[in-house]
Amino acid sequence: SQTIHQWPATLVQPVGSPLSLECTVEGTSNPNLYWYRQAAGRGLQLLFYSVGIGQISSEVPQNLSASRPQDRQFILSSKKLLLSDSGFYLCAWGGGDNEQFFGPGTRLTVL
Amino acid sequence: AQRVTQPEKLLSVFKGAPVELKCNYSYSGSPELFWYVQYSRQRLQLLLRHISRESIKGFTADLNKGETSFHLKKPFAQEEDSAMYYCPWRTGANNLFFGTGTRLTVIP
Repeated sequence: SQTIHQWPATLVQPVGSPLSLECTVEGTSNPNLYWYRQAAGRGLQLLFYSVGIGQISSEVPQNLSASRPQDRQFILSSKKLLLSDSGFYLCAWGGGDNEQFFGPGTRLTVL
Repeated sequence: AQRVTQPEKLLSVFKGAPVELKCNYSYSGSPELFWYVQYSRQRLQLLLRHISRESIKGFTADLNKGETSFHLKKPFAQEEDSAMYYCPWRTGANNLFFGTGTRLTVIP
């Protein structure tokens, strides 16, 4: 069966520090992968999606970036965090019938 | 612009009362809509999709093209229905666009 992992579960970082969040999927090949951010009062916002290795599409301009170095690995990064980057980050993979399966999320607090 | 709106950020109902979570869409053509739910300390997950016309956990949602709505309904709310509910739509690029969601609280 397919599973999706995210780490870390929680992270507290100072403003200006770098960020790296990792997401891995097991049990499926060549999945569509997604990064979302869930911020208070702003709902769930799609940040990036990827249809294959090295293929990244950005939905929202910001100081975040994403990479997909391997088929089932999706990384969210930043060189310098802003206060406004605080939120709950969710990774998801897309199934064949348009359903998306979500990871447990990472709670990021930027101080 | 094509989008989906959930006008209520918070909704509280008493246990046993009917519940309706509103979802309105603005879309040229036939949208593909879903309801996703996130229970406390659980992952966000699919509840139902309009093309299946199914009932899950007592919830139903009908696509009303005249009113451009896809409201989620349940005749008798239960405490375990308390959760965050989203009504995303599928884009031509096969992505899902979520909105602000509605937090439902069922009062015992």
